[in-house]
Amino acid sequence: GENVEQHPSTLSVQEGDSAVIKCTYSDSASNYFPWYKQELGKGPQLIIDIRSNVGEKKDQRIAVTLNKTAKHFSLHITETQPEDSAVYFCAASFPGSARQLTFGSGTQLTVLP
Amino acid sequence: NAGVTQTPKFQVLKTGQSMTLQCAQDMNHNSMYWYRQDPGMGLRLIYYSASEGTTDKGEVPNGYNVSRLNKREFSLRLESAAPSQTSVYFCASNLNQNMNTEAFFGQGTRLTVV
Repeated sequence: GENVEQHPSTLSVQEGDSAVIKCTYSDSASNYFPWYKQELGKGPQLIIDIRSNVGEKKDQRIAVTLNKTAKHFSLHITETQPEDSAVYFCAASFPGSARQLTFGSGTQLTVLP
Repeated sequence: NAGVTQTPKFQVLKTGQSMTLQCAQDMNHNSMYWYRQDPGMGLRLIYYSASEGTTDKGEVPNGYNVSRLNKREFSLRLESAAPSQTSVYFCASNLNQNMNTEAFFGQGTRLTVV
């Protein structure tokens, strides 16, 4: 199956600074890479995703980059705000009897005011 | 717009007891999933149902059973709970089994087995 590694496990930044979270995956057949944000006491919620035929995608302050050759993808958050504080998960979709999502171990992002 | 609804939100069980976690989605999605979330380990797939009438094992199926009751509902059963099953359980749904569109998650069930 797929293996997804995520770094760092914790990240603290000053409000207004940028935050970068990185993930690597093992299965070259993976073709869909979503990022989820989980606020305390809630379920994960999709914030951005990228497919394997695209190298970069941006949505306001959030961007994701994908390097298929190196099998890694990254989440970039610019101009961080306190409400960005949460746990972020990367994931990769790989084939099986039905496609499945394998998640990274999560990054606790804290934005300091 | 309810999305994915899980019940109960919290549960404490004694070792050996059984229980069923309920999940329902109102988005007419074909595929449904059960994950468990443990500290430092992300979300791990327990079982999934690619479409109504089918179920398959995920990464960590031991100790669990599932039932896809109809297109809306997908339940997870613990027949004989063990302390190792203390976790937060999330149900999710997706439009189709290709898993290349947004998966929607419920609010989670925090289960403690003592």
